[in-house]
Amino acid sequence: QSALTQPASVSGSPGQSITISCTGTSSDVGTYDYVSWYQHHPGKAPKLMIYEVNNRPSGISNRFSASKSGNTASLTISGLQAEDEAEYYCTSYTTSNNFVIFGGGTKLTVL
Amino acid sequence: EVQLVESGGGLVQPGRSLRLSCAASGFTFGDYAMNWVRQAPGKGLEWVSGISWNSAGIGYADSVKGRFTISRDNAKNSLYLQMNSLRAEDSAFYYCAKDSEPFRIAAPSSSIDSWGQGTLVTVSS
Repeated sequence: QSALTQPASVSGSPGQSITISCTGTSSDVGTYDYVSWYQHHPGKAPKLMIYEVNNRPSGISNRFSASKSGNTASLTISGLQAEDEAEYYCTSYTTSNNFVIFGGGTKLTVL
Repeated sequence: EVQLVESGGGLVQPGRSLRLSCAASGFTFGDYAMNWVRQAPGKGLEWVSGISWNSAGIGYADSVKGRFTISRDNAKNSLYLQMNSLRAEDSAFYYCAKDSEPFRIAAPSSSIDSWGQGTLVTVSS
């Protein structure tokens, strides 16, 4: 039950786009379209940004988009804004526990 | 408004036990899968355990399997985590977290839309 693999950090300037990857296995990301992405600001509750690979919950900006190819899912944030600076986590359904597994998290810095 | 309030955390010696509780309100508790997610200081989020809306499905992270037991009481709108044989590496904030979809059969808790404020568990002699 190893965590999904995410880069430890990414950065970008305001207005630019960045992409965060999330790599799993055939037991999770590669087989099931149950990938979610969360934004986590320190001291606040994580916020669901994407569910089922590429769906945005109501109220989430269309600057956030996501996709999946093979064992790797990706989150793209376009038009970076200062408030996007946060930790981002991917999750996936996994057959290893029949619930979910988290990625290690990616710290996004807006320069 | 969904509210999830954890309690039961504290300082405990290695090898001892602790029981966490989560009181839920603002939604029909019995309709949703629930989870415990933890975050150690300076570390990322880690899913610990989950239980389906009807308790038919239960899962644990390998790191806690055999030591932790999740349960729920839908009549009391409450979620529990019994933690036995605690280790230093179990020290973390423990969050109660709610599935975003009711009555989910496939991939329970594959998306989580509500979290509690967390309760701190410190395992140390």
